[in-house]
Amino acid sequence: KAGVTQTPRYLIKTRGQQVTLSCSPISGHRSVSWYQQTPGQGLQFLFEYFSETQRNKGNFPGRFSGRQFSNSRSEMNVSTLELGDSALYLCASSRGETSGGNEQFFGPGTRLTVL
Amino acid sequence: DAKTTQPNSMESNEEEPVHLPCNHSTISGTDYIHWYRQLPSQGPEYVIHGLTSNVNNRMASLAIAEDRKSSTLILHRATLRDAAVYYCIPGGTGNQFYFGTGTSLTVIP
Repeated sequence: KAGVTQTPRYLIKTRGQQVTLSCSPISGHRSVSWYQQTPGQGLQFLFEYFSETQRNKGNFPGRFSGRQFSNSRSEMNVSTLELGDSALYLCASSRGETSGGNEQFFGPGTRLTVL
Repeated sequence: DAKTTQPNSMESNEEEPVHLPCNHSTISGTDYIHWYRQLPSQGPEYVIHGLTSNVNNRMASLAIAEDRKSSTLILHRATLRDAAVYYCIPGGTGNQFYFGTGTSLTVIP
């Protein structure tokens, strides 16, 4: 079974631009979560979607947004990019609706560099 | 959200057991305890999770204290491939996981 895929794998943008990252979950998984990883802040939760609805959101500014489609694929968007948005963006999918006992499967991430 | 405390780093000799501790004293009664690891240049990878009882799988064992305020991940025979950052994560609502700083495990050949 194919794992979580993320596209693109690498991206270079300049300040002020916007970017859209894509995540395809494992077939049959309906929950998708997004994380940002930076050397200074570590892994931080961005948001989580289930059945096209955002269920939880981390402590990030409104420039960070996302959505989920009916096929469970998800996109996240960052507008008005800042240098500090340079990070590895990770997507994770899981089968269940709720937390706790659900294993999350992570993709390889998208490395975003903002110049 | 439950806070966790893990050693910043640990070392182990290859083929010896490793015990990775985690304190999660503010864990709620319904939170599972998850362990993930992240190898260099990869996304995190599930290791094991449990609620109250000790758990075993092909990768590791998880020993959970009776009061659930701490747990220990046990790798029975460390290999070079086990060198990674290990995260202990009490499972919160939704699927959001709050990763701490984790423990960086070095395996010495």
